[in-house]
Amino acid sequence: ELKVEQNPLFLSMQEGKNYTIYCNYSTTSDRLYWYRQDPGKSLESLFVLLSNGAVKQEGRLMASLDTKARLSTLHITAAVHDLSATYFCAVDGWDTGNQFYFGTGTSLTVIP
Amino acid sequence: DAGITQSPRHKVTETGTPVTLRCHQTENHRYMYWYRQDPGHGLRLIHYSYGVKDTDKGEVSDGYSVSRSKTEDFLLTLESATSSQTSVYFCAIRETPRAEQFFGPGTRLTVL
Repeated sequence: ELKVEQNPLFLSMQEGKNYTIYCNYSTTSDRLYWYRQDPGKSLESLFVLLSNGAVKQEGRLMASLDTKARLSTLHITAAVHDLSATYFCAVDGWDTGNQFYFGTGTSLTVIP
Repeated sequence: DAGITQSPRHKVTETGTPVTLRCHQTENHRYMYWYRQDPGHGLRLIHYSYGVKDTDKGEVSDGYSVSRSKTEDFLLTLESATSSQTSVYFCAIRETPRAEQFFGPGTRLTVL
């Protein structure tokens, strides 16, 4: 079974600071996805990473994928309050057909 | 926004009663998924479908069944609801195996 671990689980940071969320997974995959979820809401797709070395950026968020290390990072630059949310990574496993396996999420709170 | 609706959006039921949740899409996507979301577990796959009448089990399928008789509809049934099935249920759709999944608004189910 594919395991996906995110850390930290909870992150409180001040506005203007930088930080990185890590997503480790247990088996070979070159397909990784990041999602954002606001409290009481559904999941919103942020990034699709489909190859080793893939890097995507949108505003203050940048995601990267290292398939050899089985690691993806979500980097936050100069955080603002609007980024407060829970962030999930999800991995497609080669041996699991079209199933996603989600990490447990990182709850981010940006403090003014 | 992807055209995905879920019904009902909220439901309270009693232990032992049958419950059916509906997911409806207007995108004509081949792949559809049912997840449950619980604190500390992220999202876990219940069942998924890769075409009309083609379904398979996910990580937490016990106690759940699904049906897909039309491309646009994917039904999740709890034959005899239990308190452990109290959760938020999300439906998702996907166009191709490498695309991201798009999520519906969710159904909050409480089993008393």
